[in-house]
Amino acid sequence: SQQGEEDPQALSIQEGENATMNCSYKTSINNLQWYRQNSGRGLVHLILIRSNEREKHSGRLRVTLDTSKKSSSLLITASRAADTASYFCATSTTSGTYKYIFGTGTRLKVLA
Amino acid sequence: NAGVTQTPKFQVLKTGQSMTLQCAQDMNHEYMSWYRQDPGMGLRLIHYSVGAGITDQGEVPNGYNVSRSTTEDFPLRLLSAAPSQTSVYFCASRRTGNTEAFFGQGTRLTVV
Repeated sequence: SQQGEEDPQALSIQEGENATMNCSYKTSINNLQWYRQNSGRGLVHLILIRSNEREKHSGRLRVTLDTSKKSSSLLITASRAADTASYFCATSTTSGTYKYIFGTGTRLKVLA
Repeated sequence: NAGVTQTPKFQVLKTGQSMTLQCAQDMNHEYMSWYRQDPGMGLRLIHYSVGAGITDQGEVPNGYNVSRSTTEDFPLRLLSAAPSQTSVYFCASRRTGNTEAFFGQGTRLTVV
């Protein structure tokens, strides 16, 4: 079974609003990452947060990690139509550090 | 740098046919992986490699073979294609440690 599960599965917001998506995972991790996938394209790395970090920022992105709850959230502030994409979390577990296991993804649609 | 290059981009196979999906990276990355992406399932790990001559199974390895004779190349072989292998296949590579993965643009495979 997959390690990560994103919530919600789909999200539709207006341009300028903030978008929040969540990722829950099952086992202890070394790091957690977020990726974006535009329709029909490969995945692009957004941000990586290590297991000993609680929050990380990159431009309009803010990621939090709560290892006690085995969950992470990705916040995109002041969203733009170009942010329309699917977003995936991926984890590197302590039992399989070579493998990145992906979740099922959140489909974000930003309406202009 | 070309990054991660996958060929072909599209392929239609008949049930029982064999083929090899090619993946090459020019970043001298140690780790390479193959994923398949199906609607609603996110990305699932098929096989991965931590270096030339070393491969291991992921979440869904059945029906697929891999080898890693060089650092640059990581081909995925379907020995006898089945309709259940209809999917989009992504190859990824990365350096060791807590690092981002780089993805190819994908191969869309249809087995009829």
